[in-house]
Amino acid sequence: KQEVTQIPAALSVPEGENLVLNCSFTDSAIYNLQWFRQDPGKGLTSLLLIQSSQREQTSGRLNASLDKSSGRSTLYIAASQPGDSATYLCAVRLTETSGSRLTFGEGTQLTVNP
Amino acid sequence: DTGVSQDPRHKITKRGQNVTFRCDPISEHNRLYWYRQTLGQGPEFLTYFQNEAQLEKSRLLSDRFSAERPKGSFSTLEIQRTEQGDSAMYLCASSLVGGPDNEQFFGPGTRLTVL
Repeated sequence: KQEVTQIPAALSVPEGENLVLNCSFTDSAIYNLQWFRQDPGKGLTSLLLIQSSQREQTSGRLNASLDKSSGRSTLYIAASQPGDSATYLCAVRLTETSGSRLTFGEGTQLTVNP
Repeated sequence: DTGVSQDPRHKITKRGQNVTFRCDPISEHNRLYWYRQTLGQGPEFLTYFQNEAQLEKSRLLSDRFSAERPKGSFSTLEIQRTEQGDSAMYLCASSLVGGPDNEQFFGPGTRLTVL
């Protein structure tokens, strides 16, 4: 059974700091991995998707890396802003033949202080 | 707006009542997913459809839960005889098989509170 763990559970940083969020998964036979952002009481917004054959993806100040063999992904946020405050979730999808479900971690709650 | 929409956004009900939620996926997306998220946790998969066929159900989907997608477009999730433990955010997502990355796009969710 795939298990996804995110560390830390919560993180508070001053504005402008660079930070890294960590995600680990137990079954390396993944199809892809997605990072999402969730604001309180809201749905999920997809930030980055990395296919199993890729090593990283970048979008603006965000960079996500994937090391499938070690079962790890990181989300790097550069020059953090108060508007980045949210919960960040990572989710993995197993190979196509194993179904289409996403398995989520419990998230990292990020607070960026002005 | 061409994103995933869900209705209602909030539902408060008394224990024992039945509730039904609706999800409208992104137009022409052939896969539709339901997830449940309790406070402080990540979403958990419930079920998914490809067109009108329900292809996978989680063991979380007890006999009191039923989902339909009758014409391969919108979907409904019904919970019968609600219990306090059913209180959660119910999230719907859709994707296009064969589309870029088969990425899942999520709706805003329906927050259910069972009193």
